Amino acid sequence: EAGVTQFPSHSVIEKGQTVTLRCDPISGHDNLYWYRRVMGKEIKFLLHFVKESKQDESGMPNNRFLAERTGGTYSTLKVQPAELEDSGVYFCASSQLAGPYNEQFFGPGTRLTVL
Amino acid sequence: GQSLEQPSEVTAVEGAIVQINCTYQTSGFYGLSWYQQHDGGAPTFLSYNGLDGLEETGRFSSFLSRSDSYGYLLLQELQMKDSASYFCAVSPAPSGNTGKLIFGQGTTLQVKP
Repeated sequence: EAGVTQFPSHSVIEKGQTVTLRCDPISGHDNLYWYRRVMGKEIKFLLHFVKESKQDESGMPNNRFLAERTGGTYSTLKVQPAELEDSGVYFCASSQLAGPYNEQFFGPGTRLTVL
Repeated sequence: GQSLEQPSEVTAVEGAIVQINCTYQTSGFYGLSWYQQHDGGAPTFLSYNGLDGLEETGRFSSFLSRSDSYGYLLLQELQMKDSASYFCAVSPAPSGNTGKLIFGQGTTLQVKP
C-alpha cells in the first residue's frame, strides 16, 4: 500500500510569489491534515479535511493560505503571496478515522524556502 | 491553550536505555501520542496513551500520568537506527473528532556506538 505522498519535495521561491503544495493521502483515508514545522520548532496543525469538507481550519495562519480538497482525494495548499515567515516544512497526514486515538500517517513533507 | 515541553537533545550509547520526558500544560486532552522522525523523513506513529499507565510495544514503552501532567517515551536496547527526533503530541479537548494534534518541539536522540 502506497503511503502519503507530497509534491514537490522542495520549493524555493521569491517573496511575493505563489506556491502550491500537493498531498496525496493513503487511498481510502477520508481524513487529511496539514501541518507545518518552522525552523526546528514544533509541528503545528494547520487544518483538517473530512473528505472534501474543512472540519477544522483553526491553525491556518492567515488568508494568504488556501487549502482545497476537490473530490475528497488529493489536497492542495496554496500560499499567495508568499512571505519570508512562510518558510518551513509542510507535512500532510491522513487517517482512516478521525479522533485522537487514530494513527495519522505522515508524508515526507515539502520543504518551502521563501527568499 | 496547550503547550508541551521536551528536552531538545538526548545522547545515549548503543544498548542503553533512554527516557524522553514530555510535560504538558493543557486545559484538557484525550491522550498522548509519540512520533518518530528520521532526518528529512516522515514522522511515524510510535504509541498512544489514552489512559494513565504504561504501554509497551517491543523495545519502546510509553507512559502517561494525567495527575502529574507528564509522560515519557522509554527506549530500551538502543540501536544506532534509533537516532532520530521524537515528538510527543496531545489531542486537545474539546475538539470533537478532528484528530488535531498539538506537538512538542521534539527531542533529538543521538545514539553513539
